[in-house]
Amino acid sequence: LAKTTQPISMDSYEGQEVNITCSHNNIATNDYITWYQQFPSQGPRFIIQGYKTKVTNEVASLFIPADRKSSTLSLPRVSLSDTAVYYCLVGDGGLTGGGNKLTFGTGTQLKVEL
Amino acid sequence: DTGVSQNPRHKITKRGQNVTFRCDPISEHNRLYWYRQTLGQGPEFLTYFQNEAQLEKSRLLSDRFSAERPKGSFSTLEIQRTEQGDSAMYLCASSLETVNYGYTFGSGTRLTVV
Repeated sequence: LAKTTQPISMDSYEGQEVNITCSHNNIATNDYITWYQQFPSQGPRFIIQGYKTKVTNEVASLFIPADRKSSTLSLPRVSLSDTAVYYCLVGDGGLTGGGNKLTFGTGTQLKVEL
Repeated sequence: DTGVSQNPRHKITKRGQNVTFRCDPISEHNRLYWYRQTLGQGPEFLTYFQNEAQLEKSRLLSDRFSAERPKGSFSTLEIQRTEQGDSAMYLCASSLETVNYGYTFGSGTRLTVV
């Protein structure tokens, strides 16, 4: 599974847009990019997944450049409740037979203040 | 069906005792995963099932750990002769085979070994 690198922490204020960038230089052709959010004492929650270009849902947008060696999770107009750890994961979900497990790094701790 | 359910939410046990955790996945999900998370770290993969078959086990899953998923429904994770190093959050997740990384996690069982 491709290794990912993301900032350890980020600070923001309510109402701002937050962009968290993840590097994955060794991403494979079949790999997808997936982001999870985790609040204290809860399990991670799936936010968004993409393969290339841009994906948007009701929670976030995911921007993936053509070389796919990085990706950016964009959270529009954050609120205090967006304070959480955000994980970037890369893998093919076991679709090519290489196992089917998620490999989490230490994630990015986002802190949103008033 | 309201999601992945884990019981108990908290467990305090004395070193050397055996403990068992239960996970009830989303009913139509045929894949079930166990992860362990320690403070400040991302979740680490332990094992996963497809229906009742245990398809992969991490090296983290020592001989003291055993997981079962009888009849492909709920799963149990047992730790025998607990050690202080086993103190962690144990997370369960489930997914459909056809969904790439769209896993649903439970809220976890917090184990404290004293």
